[in-house]
Amino acid sequence: DGGITQSPKYLFRKEGQNVTLSCEQNLNHDAMYWYRQDPGQGLRLIYYSQIVNDFQKGDIAEGYSVSREKKESFPLTVTSAQKNPTAFYLCASSIQANSPLHFGNGTRLTVT
Amino acid sequence: GENVEQHPSTLSVQEGDSAVIKCTYSDSASNYFPWYKQELGKRPQLIIDIRSNVGEKKDQRIAVTLNKTAKHFSLHITETQPEDSAVYFCAATPGAGGFKTIFGAGTRLFVKA
Repeated sequence: DGGITQSPKYLFRKEGQNVTLSCEQNLNHDAMYWYRQDPGQGLRLIYYSQIVNDFQKGDIAEGYSVSREKKESFPLTVTSAQKNPTAFYLCASSIQANSPLHFGNGTRLTVT
Repeated sequence: GENVEQHPSTLSVQEGDSAVIKCTYSDSASNYFPWYKQELGKRPQLIIDIRSNVGEKKDQRIAVTLNKTAKHFSLHITETQPEDSAVYFCAATPGAGGFKTIFGAGTRLFVKA
């Protein structure tokens, strides 16, 4: 069953700690994305990667970092520099440019 | 960069009525316009999309129209049903590269039985 797996579903961290969110896909898609979803604000793009070993900043990249060492994996690290990290994080992939996004089930991060 | 505005933010209709959600975009080079539906607690899922070389596309009760000159596109849902209740997002993908999909803020649709 092909798809995108995000883990964990819920994540709790103390302020000042870095945390890494996992995203794995078995769709053989080249492109992967991270979006942040806050109530009433839609989905905002954090980072995206067109191919392995390459990634670009989205609109709200400050305080986040990513890596793309394998085609299947695109982990997101929320660093202590992110001022308001509590949010719902969605990972997505697409087969090519200008094509539909396939989303994972998301990770809800709470930082206290 | 691209900016997508979506209206209304909330829409309530009676079952069987039509619902229309409108979006505008700023980048005239944008050429791909998908619509996603997100049910409560679930992932967004594509329901219909349209490319810039097409003015209208229909899939059963759902249709999307695109006006490139005015830079706006709309989602039309006819004969609404309670299971249509969800948040709907429009999006636009700028022509350069085509990977940076930008979303509208979303419309929460309530269909009253």
